[in-house]
Amino acid sequence: QQPVQSPQAVILREGEDAVINCSSSKALYSVHWYRQKHGEAPVFLMILLKGGEQKGHDKISASFNEKKQQSSLYLTASQLSYSGTYFCGTESGSYDKVIFGPGTSLSVIP
Amino acid sequence: DAGVIQSPRHEVTEMGQEVTLRCKPISGHNSLFWYRQTMMRGLELLIYFNNNVPIDDSGMPEDRFSAKMPNASFSTLKIQPSEPRDSAVYFCASSNQGGSYEQYFGPGTRLTVT
Repeated sequence: QQPVQSPQAVILREGEDAVINCSSSKALYSVHWYRQKHGEAPVFLMILLKGGEQKGHDKISASFNEKKQQSSLYLTASQLSYSGTYFCGTESGSYDKVIFGPGTSLSVIP
Repeated sequence: DAGVIQSPRHEVTEMGQEVTLRCKPISGHNSLFWYRQTMMRGLELLIYFNNNVPIDDSGMPEDRFSAKMPNASFSTLKIQPSEPRDSAVYFCASSNQGGSYEQYFGPGTRLTVT
């Protein structure tokens, strides 16, 4: 079951903050976040594991609510380089496959 | 580290032809994933291998698609015969220890079937 992401698209001015949400109808073991720039491959940002462990990025933070089966990615003081499509991926069990959501398009303008 | 290597980067072929996409994962990684990305369907997992063994191929669209991983440093995705609806960008990714670890994506192969 593909996770749901919101919003579908967002436009920010440099320096503004954004939150991207991801939710699943299934119990989750982990949530993954990737960013893809146009014409490039997805690049890893962060993994949040059940139990609170995080592996990831210095400048981006995220939360994982296991009970609600939701995760949010927080982008603060956005920079032009933050533009791209953000994908969440969900995993229902350890060593299970990651199912990616449809993506959220983020555009940062000067 | 060279990262995940994919070839060819672009492939244009006619309907009915066989297409073979190639991937070299990062040395030392033991999991390999094949994804397909289209505007309509997003980023879909086709198949993934762990220690060269296919673990989940439920995303493979139909029998026209097949994937192999004969050794830890090489994998192929084959489409035979190809159809226009197979046009997409195909990504290969590798990771340590499967899904709970970060995946490193290759640059992708843009396939166009006319």
